[in-house]
Amino acid sequence: EAGVTQFPSHSVIEKGQTVTLRCDPISGHDNLYWYRRVMGKEIKFLLHFVKESKQDESGMPNNRFLAERTGGTYSTLKVQPAELEDSGVYFCASSQGRGRGTDTQYFGPGTRLTVL
Amino acid sequence: RKEVEQDPGPFNVPEGATVAFNCTYSNSASQSFFWYRQDCRKEPKLLMSVYSSGNEDGRFTAQLNRASQYISLLIRDSKLSDSATYLCVVNLDPNDYKLSFGAGTTVTVRA
Repeated sequence: EAGVTQFPSHSVIEKGQTVTLRCDPISGHDNLYWYRRVMGKEIKFLLHFVKESKQDESGMPNNRFLAERTGGTYSTLKVQPAELEDSGVYFCASSQGRGRGTDTQYFGPGTRLTVL
Repeated sequence: RKEVEQDPGPFNVPEGATVAFNCTYSNSASQSFFWYRQDCRKEPKLLMSVYSSGNEDGRFTAQLNRASQYISLLIRDSKLSDSATYLCVVNLDPNDYKLSFGAGTTVTVRA
């Protein structure tokens, strides 16, 4: 079974540019999550989809971040315009269950974003 | 106070040694606890869930102490391949699904 995949693995952009990250969850997983780790900090929750619906986006830092999951399959996370403090590793995770805390979340390899 | 706090280490131990470390969490109502392992520049991978009665998986033993709001991980007979960062992960609010992460405990097992 294929795991969670993310694209690209690395992205280097300049401040003010736009970047779109993609996540393909494990097939059949309705729940999709975005997390990120910025330098020196712990991994933090960004948002949660159940199928195509945003269940919780309380962790999104500001309105420069836009996540979508059209059709309930893959998801994109767009940062526009990117700022220096957006640099970090963006992880996607998916889970099969009802989106409760007991579900096992499987993580993708992450996208390492560097904003210069 | 951080929601999930871990001893960062590093723990540098010889092969065959036992190493143990703890993690504290802020919400006494939390119900789900996990240990994830993360290798350098890789994704977190679930090592084990932590159950109320404590549980064991091979050389790994996890314990939960609700009264003191901490969980622990013990690694027996350490192998070189156990070298990694161990992430304490808690679903702080049982009514949702967000995972809260500690900053990680680094373990290095030397030959």
